[in-house]
Order: sequence, then structure tokens, then C-alpha cells
Amino acid sequence: DIQMTQSPASLSASLGETVSIECLASEDIYNNLAWYQQKPGKSPQLLIYYASSLQDGVPSRFSGSGSGTQYSLKINSLESEDAATYFCLQDSEYPNTFGAGTKLELK
Amino acid sequence: EVQLVESGGGLVQPGRSMKLSCAASGFTFSNYGMAWVRQAPTKGLEWVATISYDGSSTYYRDSVKGRFTISRDNAKSTLYLQMNSLRSEDTATYYCTREGFIHTMAPSWFAYWGQGTLVTVSS
Repeated sequence: DIQMTQSPASLSASLGETVSIECLASEDIYNNLAWYQQKPGKSPQLLIYYASSLQDGVPSRFSGSGSGTQYSLKINSLESEDAATYFCLQDSEYPNTFGAGTKLELK
Repeated sequence: EVQLVESGGGLVQPGRSMKLSCAASGFTFSNYGMAWVRQAPTKGLEWVATISYDGSSTYYRDSVKGRFTISRDNAKSTLYLQMNSLRSEDTATYYCTREGFIHTMAPSWFAYWGQGTLVTVSS
């Protein structure tokens, strides 16, 4: 199985700041990487697919990059509504595997 | 608007069975693969099973193989998960998801998620 190592586990940032979250795959996943946002008591929402493609309706302050085994999610100009847990997902091969999550708190 | 509405969760004893359903609307159900993803309380996300758009192919995580069966009824736009021999470690919120790619047998990201249904396995 492909292991997804996500970092950091938690993050605290201020409104207006820019943050990055990383995912490292145990092998090449050929850009088959998605990012999700989950708020407490809610289902995950797709932000990015295929490493850098922005899902319809997602604000442009979210962006994804990377290749091979290393991928990142960047959030520019943090807003209060961005407080959530973020997960990465590899869909290169079965079993699909998720990162452990990054909890983003706003100061 | 894409909608996925799960039902069938609840409390079940270890070793017993339960069947989850997911009613889909807002898209052509027969064009997309569908999957179940679960999340144990306060834990991360775990893929459970996927079924291809036409139902011809199914994929499972090792821990549920032989116990869970994913199926679909394209005429009713409904996805199912039959869970047998349930264990305490199956306790989780189960999400119905729609894949991102149309008409593919390859793995895909999960573009839309239902609100989830909680399955609690306990005596």
C-alpha cells in the first residue's frame, strides 16, 4: 500500500497569513493527489484534484503543487472560514490512502 | 446539484450484519464510479470499497474483503454496502462518495460526499 505522510499535524496561523501543508507519498503517485477540507461535524469537501486542479467553487486562495512523491497545499490570505482539518488523498492505485490530517487553527 | 443521502446506520452487535444505502441525485448515476469511505470517531479517513460505473468491477480494502459487499442499482440511482460479521473496529461514520472521473475503471478522487451515516458496533 502507498503510505501518505502528512505534515504538520497541526498549525496555528493568523488571518491574512499564508500557510502550506505537505504530503509525502511512499512512492511516485504521478500527480494523482487530492486535497480535502473538513470542518467539525461535516463531511469532507474537495479542494484540489490531480495535484493542482482547483475544484469548481473553491476560492482561488487555495492552490496545490508537487510531483512524484512530494505535494503541497497552499492557502493564501487566510480567512476565518479556513479553520478546519485538511487531508490529502492518493488515487494513483488501490487501496486509496489518506494522509493523517492537518488541523489548522486561526489565532 | 449533486446530492448523496446515506441511510441504514445505527447500533449493531458484533458479528451481526447491516446494510447501508445511498440515494444519489443531481447527476447521471450510471456514468460514475462510487465508493464508501469511513471515519472512526475523532480519527482520519479510510477508503472502504469502490464500484465501477457499470458495476462490473469492485475493489475493497483488505480488512473488509470477504465481509463487505458494495453494489449498485443504476435504475434506482442507489449505492449499497452490505456489511457482514461486523467488528468493533468497523465503528465509524460511513460516507457515500462519487468519483471525479466519468466512465473509468481507474482509481479516482472523491468529488462529492454525502453527510454520512454512523455505524456503531457494540454489544
